Amino acid sequence: EAGVAQSPRYKIIEKRQSVAFWCNPISGHATLYWYQQILGQGPKLLIQFQNNGVVDDSQLPKDRFSAERLKGVDSTLKIQPAKLEDSAVYLCASSLPMGDRVYEQYFGPGTRLTVT
Amino acid sequence: AQSVTQPDIHITVSEGASLELRCNYSYGATPYLFWYVQSPGQGLQLLLKYFSGDTLVQGIKGFEAEFKRSQSSFNLRKPSVHWSDAAEYFCAVYGNFNKFYFGSGTKLNVKP
Repeated sequence: EAGVAQSPRYKIIEKRQSVAFWCNPISGHATLYWYQQILGQGPKLLIQFQNNGVVDDSQLPKDRFSAERLKGVDSTLKIQPAKLEDSAVYLCASSLPMGDRVYEQYFGPGTRLTVT
Repeated sequence: AQSVTQPDIHITVSEGASLELRCNYSYGATPYLFWYVQSPGQGLQLLLKYFSGDTLVQGIKGFEAEFKRSQSSFNLRKPSVHWSDAAEYFCAVYGNFNKFYFGSGTKLNVKP
């Protein structure tokens, strides 16, 4: 079974530029998460989708970050304009849909973003 | 507020020695608990999980963890560490507002 795919793996941009990350979850996983992991910290949830609807985006800096999951499969996270403090690893994870049961998340390899 | 604490930022153990990584959580009800491992440049891999039942859970790669409700802890253990276990370990809890909360991680170094 293929895992969670992410691209690109690495990205270096200058501040005020824009960047986009792509994620393809495990087939059949209706729930998709984007996390930000700053060096030395644990992952912090940015946004959670169930199918193509947003379940939680309370920690997404909406003035500069946006995410979509058209057709309820793959997803794109965008930052525009980037700031120095956005330098981090952006992790995508997927799971079976949360409802009466809790399912573990499966993580992709992440995209390491460096903003200079 | 929901929180997960991993009090040890770095731990160094000798190869073959035993290992215990600490995790404490704050949550009113019985939580769902997880341990993940992250190797450099990689995503997080699930080692084990606790949902209910037996408080001692077995995971992959020879790891186990024990849920202690009275101490709000879910410590990860391994009887004999291998050099390939060097990585960063994250404890996570599924709790309030149906969200996952992660600790800040413990980096494990293994001495030959």
